[in-house]
Amino acid sequence: EVQLVQSGGGLVQRGGSLRLSCAASGFSFSSYAMTWLRQAPGKGLEWVSSINDSGDYTVHADSVRGRVTISRDNSKNTLLLQMNSLRDEDTAVYYCVKDRSGRAFDYWGQGTLVIVSS
Amino acid sequence: QSALTQPPSASGSPGQSVTISCTGTSSDVGGYDYVSWYQQHPGKAPKLMIYELNKRPSGVPDRFSGSKSGNTASLTVSGLQAEDEADYYCSSYAPSNIYVLFGGGTKLTVL
Repeated sequence: EVQLVQSGGGLVQRGGSLRLSCAASGFSFSSYAMTWLRQAPGKGLEWVSSINDSGDYTVHADSVRGRVTISRDNSKNTLLLQMNSLRDEDTAVYYCVKDRSGRAFDYWGQGTLVIVSS
Repeated sequence: QSALTQPPSASGSPGQSVTISCTGTSSDVGGYDYVSWYQQHPGKAPKLMIYELNKRPSGVPDRFSGSKSGNTASLTVSGLQAEDEADYYCSSYAPSNIYVLFGGGTKLTVL
């Protein structure tokens, strides 16, 4: 059974930093690109960052570029999102998702809430 | 590139069919058959319902189908059931550093 178990969310001050983790199991983690998506309260889905299977190619949304780093440890089946200089508009539920063909996301983590507060 | 455009709401009675549209441009929806649809119930993570325009993951009922005409993709839910009431989001492959675009979501109400 594919599982994506997230950790690391919470309340952080504006300008602060937070690291999100996603532990993957049930599939060959090193064979798939992975992505972070987010959903602000009451809003739609937004793409944040993606990383290829080997970890040597990353891409970020304009809204977070320069402030976030996506990485992965294929030896530990773990996906990470380091977020710095957090802003009010970063408040959202963040989802770790597994990529499949055609930029579709077939498995989702449970979501972790990040609240940026002054 | 802008987000994809979806109607904010749609509705239908049990047993009926309803179609939700998702409009993009020739650079995303119209240019590739890489449109996906997700269902999200309140408080839950989204679930993939359609990928690559019209393919259903294992376990998704065949009442859900996808199609495209020009720059507009559509999700059709046939034989509406109460449990289909949810928010639906479309997404599309986008080239270069955009990676993927999402629609704003459509709230489907089963009357």
